[in-house]
Amino acid sequence: GQNIDQPTEMTATEGAIVQINCTYQTSGFNGLFWYQQHAGEAPTFLSYNVLDGLEEKGRFSSFLSRSKGYSYLLLKELQMKDSASYLCAVVDSNYQLIWGAGTKLIIKP
Amino acid sequence: GAVVSQHPSRVICKSGTSVKIECRSLDFQATTMFWYRQFPKKSLMLMATSNEGSKATYEQGVEKDKFLINHASLTLSTLTVTSAHPEDSSFYICSAEGTGEMYEQYFGPGTRLTVT
Repeated sequence: GQNIDQPTEMTATEGAIVQINCTYQTSGFNGLFWYQQHAGEAPTFLSYNVLDGLEEKGRFSSFLSRSKGYSYLLLKELQMKDSASYLCAVVDSNYQLIWGAGTKLIIKP
Repeated sequence: GAVVSQHPSRVICKSGTSVKIECRSLDFQATTMFWYRQFPKKSLMLMATSNEGSKATYEQGVEKDKFLINHASLTLSTLTVTSAHPEDSSFYICSAEGTGEMYEQYFGPGTRLTVT
């Protein structure tokens, strides 16, 4: 079966760095998305990785290792507004999205 | 648990025809379902909120006569793209709201629509 694993909940301190991991087992791979979703709002696109390596975009970076079936989202200089759910989604060989359950990130002052 | 399915997963239709996409919550009841449209490498765009037994609430700019939504039961919502045009080609994703305290959303695998 196809599976995406990410932690259910994480807590971090304002100004710190947090890494949210995502491991996947899917039938084929055509890219991996990270989305941010605040309660009651639509998910917001953060990153798309299809090749191995690290992609940096401001305070957010995303890493992909296809051989390990692993990705992480790195958030630096955490702000209170970063409190949200972070969704990992993989595009499989049929170009279907396989969603992780999301990681709820709680930022404390 | 909390599985959402969509059917079909992929559909190709001719311009001017209508296409129906089904969204089902397989192991839970969902009074609220959401329909999104995804453009390449873009955020999901919320099209409408579908409530069981009542009319859907459409987001600004979404034509309700073109994108017909029906939420006839607690486990099924349908999106019908009427008189489809090539610009309607996109990835349509539904989500179902859970019944827990946090109102979490569970996403379907999406339906890729190509209008020729």
